Amino acid sequence: AQKVTQAQTEISVVEKEDVTLDCVYETRDTTYYLFWYKQPPSGELVFLIRRNSFDEQNEISGRYSWNFQKSTSSFNFTITASQVVDSAVYFCALNSGGSNYKLTFGKGTLLTVNP
Amino acid sequence: DAGVTQSPTHLIKTRGQQVTLRCSPKSGHDTVSWYQQALGQGPQFIFQYYEEEERQRGNFPDRFSGHQFPNYSSELNVNALLLGDSALYLCASSLGGADTQYFGPGTRLTVL
Repeated sequence: AQKVTQAQTEISVVEKEDVTLDCVYETRDTTYYLFWYKQPPSGELVFLIRRNSFDEQNEISGRYSWNFQKSTSSFNFTITASQVVDSAVYFCALNSGGSNYKLTFGKGTLLTVNP
Repeated sequence: DAGVTQSPTHLIKTRGQQVTLRCSPKSGHDTVSWYQQALGQGPQFIFQYYEEEERQRGNFPDRFSGHQFPNYSSELNVNALLLGDSALYLCASSLGGADTQYFGPGTRLTVL
């Protein structure tokens, strides 16, 4: 069985602060994929990143960075120098590949960045 | 390059009615997945269609059915609507089932 836990329901920060969103996952598969999606108030899920289980390198994309640690089954997401436009619900998701095609999502973290 | 499109944007139905939601995949994609997102929750997988067949199904009753057309577009049908079916229905497309899924804007269904 697959499970994704996002323990932080809501986070509120002031613009320019750094913020980290936590994601812990459970799977028995050795091959799997992890994702982060952003859902602004409009409702559309916007893809941010995909990571496979064999690649533990951290990734940086502009103000966004991701820390993947298999030892703790975590895939955390950090926004540096947050901006008001970063306000959204962020979802972590897991797919175990093979013949399992579904994404299993966490419950999401609502990030509010105040000016 | 057109992304995933869904119609309608909003829909209001009454209990017991039937509804059909539509999805056109991103250009070049051949696989469509459907998700239900209740308020304050993460999306839940309903099913995935590939080559016009249901390839995988989540934990949803038979009232939820779907179809994929030769042009890869897809429909989600829900029969005998319940109040609990009120949700945002999201369609995602991908190239093959294991590829990254890209989502459409969703259809907000309200059942009264």
